[in-house]
Amino acid sequence: DAGITQSPRYKITETGRQVTLMCHQTWSHSYMFWYRQDLGHGLRLIYYSAAADITDKGEVPDGYVVSRSKTENFPLTLESATRSQTSVYFCASRDYPKETQYFGPGTRLLVL
Amino acid sequence: DQQVKQNSPSLSVQEGRISILNCDYTNSMFDYFLWYKKYPAEGPTFLISISSIKDKNEDGRFTVFLNKSAKHLSLHIVPSQPGDSAVYFCAASKVGAGTYKYIFGTGTRLKVLA
Repeated sequence: DAGITQSPRYKITETGRQVTLMCHQTWSHSYMFWYRQDLGHGLRLIYYSAAADITDKGEVPDGYVVSRSKTENFPLTLESATRSQTSVYFCASRDYPKETQYFGPGTRLLVL
Repeated sequence: DQQVKQNSPSLSVQEGRISILNCDYTNSMFDYFLWYKKYPAEGPTFLISISSIKDKNEDGRFTVFLNKSAKHLSLHIVPSQPGDSAVYFCAASKVGAGTYKYIFGTGTRLKVLA
């Protein structure tokens, strides 16, 4: 299907484990983003990427790692999960030079 | 420091009436503003946007107003429909500065009563 997909949709893990959230888009948009949504905070930017092999930090990057070897994929890794990383994670893409970002359906992560 | 604020966590409106959602920002460098709508268990979807060179943008039942001097924007939905019940996020961006990041507000949950 065309668009932006995320997997898994739901994940339960334990403190200290490594977790990778996947994001795939079929539009060949140059920009991709990772956000987390928490009550009282709205959506906060974790990392973004302007193109393959170009990534940069957002507002809340600590504890996360990203990579972008291919334009269509932008995985987010929690190297050692903590309870504070329990959240809903959204991936988004943007078709430069347009401003609008298009969001995936989200991954709900619970860290026990 | 919250640069984009939505001070009303929730709003209830009767079907057919006007819904007005408000958003305030503190950074005068923001020059592009967007509204997103979010249903439960789905990602946010783009609704409408406005550049700082305008003070109003309209798309069907949705109108966004921007008051730069007050650093305030609002989304008007007329007439409101039950399907409009969702969480609405405003977002701000500094396009002119060459950054491509949004700063989101905390959201307002709109409930349209039939």
